[in-house]
Amino acid sequence: EVQLVESGGGLVQPGRSLRLSCSASGFTFGEYAMSWFRQAPGKGLEWVAFIRSKFYGGTIDYAASVKGRFIISRDDSKSIANLQMDSLEIEDTAVYYCAVNYKCYFDFWGQGTLVTVSS
Amino acid sequence: DIQMTQSPSALSASVGDRITITCQASQDIGNYLNWYQQKPGKAPKLLIYDASNLEAGVPSRFSGRGSGTLYTFTINSLHPEDIATYYCQQYDSLPYTFGQGAKLEIK
Repeated sequence: EVQLVESGGGLVQPGRSLRLSCSASGFTFGEYAMSWFRQAPGKGLEWVAFIRSKFYGGTIDYAASVKGRFIISRDDSKSIANLQMDSLEIEDTAVYYCAVNYKCYFDFWGQGTLVTVSS
Repeated sequence: DIQMTQSPSALSASVGDRITITCQASQDIGNYLNWYQQKPGKAPKLLIYDASNLEAGVPSRFSGRGSGTLYTFTINSLHPEDIATYYCQQYDSLPYTFGQGAKLEIK
């Protein structure tokens, strides 16, 4: 059974950093692309970042709103995808979800982790 | 960026009704479209992929169709547990963008 579990969320001050992790199980992690999405309180869904499998070069893409501040990475030996978030802004407050392209795009999602950026 | 315009943004229907939600893309997305269901406090759940394919385990009362820039999502015979917000999402090109959501309530 495919399972994704996010961790690392919490309360952080503007300008500080936070690192989210997505722990995967139930599939051969290294063979699949991973993404991060977010949802601000009471708002819609936003794609944040995407990392392909090493078979496809491990290439990465970011939403314009986070490019230069967030870094997505993967550790295939531990079946973990990370999202390093630097220079956090109040507008980054959201529930962050990881998702995998298993049989199709974004077919499995984690339960989410809340990031609150506030002074 | 491809803009995804969903309509309506909210709707109310009775158990047993048929409801349809529309998603208009700002350019041809070649059927690279997902439909999700999201209940309060929960992660989105994929219902339909590639515009019209039913995800495994999803009841057959859910369906999707469309092509080019215009796509529709239908629930036949609404059940009480279908109360949720429904989103479309294109994955034809980056950034992967969502519609603003359609909040479904039961009368």
